Amino acid sequence: DVKVTQSSRYLVKRTGEKVFLECVQDMDHENMFWYRQDPGLGLRLIYFSYDVKMKEKGDIPEGYSVSREKKERFSLILESASTNQTSMYLCASSLFAELYNEQFFGPGTRLTVL
Amino acid sequence: SQQGEEDPQALSIQEGENATMNCSYKTSINNLQWYRQNSGRGLVHLILIRSNEREKHSGRLRVTLDTSKKSSSLLITASRAADTASYFCATVGLRDRDDKIIFGKGTRLHILP
Repeated sequence: DVKVTQSSRYLVKRTGEKVFLECVQDMDHENMFWYRQDPGLGLRLIYFSYDVKMKEKGDIPEGYSVSREKKERFSLILESASTNQTSMYLCASSLFAELYNEQFFGPGTRLTVL
Repeated sequence: SQQGEEDPQALSIQEGENATMNCSYKTSINNLQWYRQNSGRGLVHLILIRSNEREKHSGRLRVTLDTSKKSSSLLITASRAADTASYFCATVGLRDRDDKIIFGKGTRLHILP
């Protein structure tokens, strides 16, 4: 079974803090994704990566950056957290040839920015 | 936008009944997928149907796709309490890697004992 893990289930940070959200997958998937999920807005793609050190902007990249130094790990960085970044963050992975087919999701990190 | 939109937004049915959720989208697609999300958890992929397919089955799940109406339905037969969750449709456009997957806002399904 594919397993996608996220470093924290719940996180509380203060405005202006730098925040790191970590995601690790154990099935050698090339593609990894970061989404945020908000009530009434569904899932929105922040960034994705199809290879080590490669990244592509999604629909809402502003205020975020990412890092993919190793194939199994994809980090989402909030350089200076703001209250409007309070949300549920979901990481996902998929096989290279199946970019948007059957994504495997982690359990999510619920981030609160005070 | 090719965004899928689920209908209804919320659905409550008795255990044992069938549950039907619908998804409509706006532009041509490569495939359409359904995912389930239990409260506060990540999404789980249920089924993928390609644009040249009309119906797919997986256990108690049946998905149909009508590309002429740009709509899909997810039927869960003989519902169980464990089926209580949110269900999302997601569409993938025709341009393969140049088109992103777009998720709808979901249908909240509640199975009553």
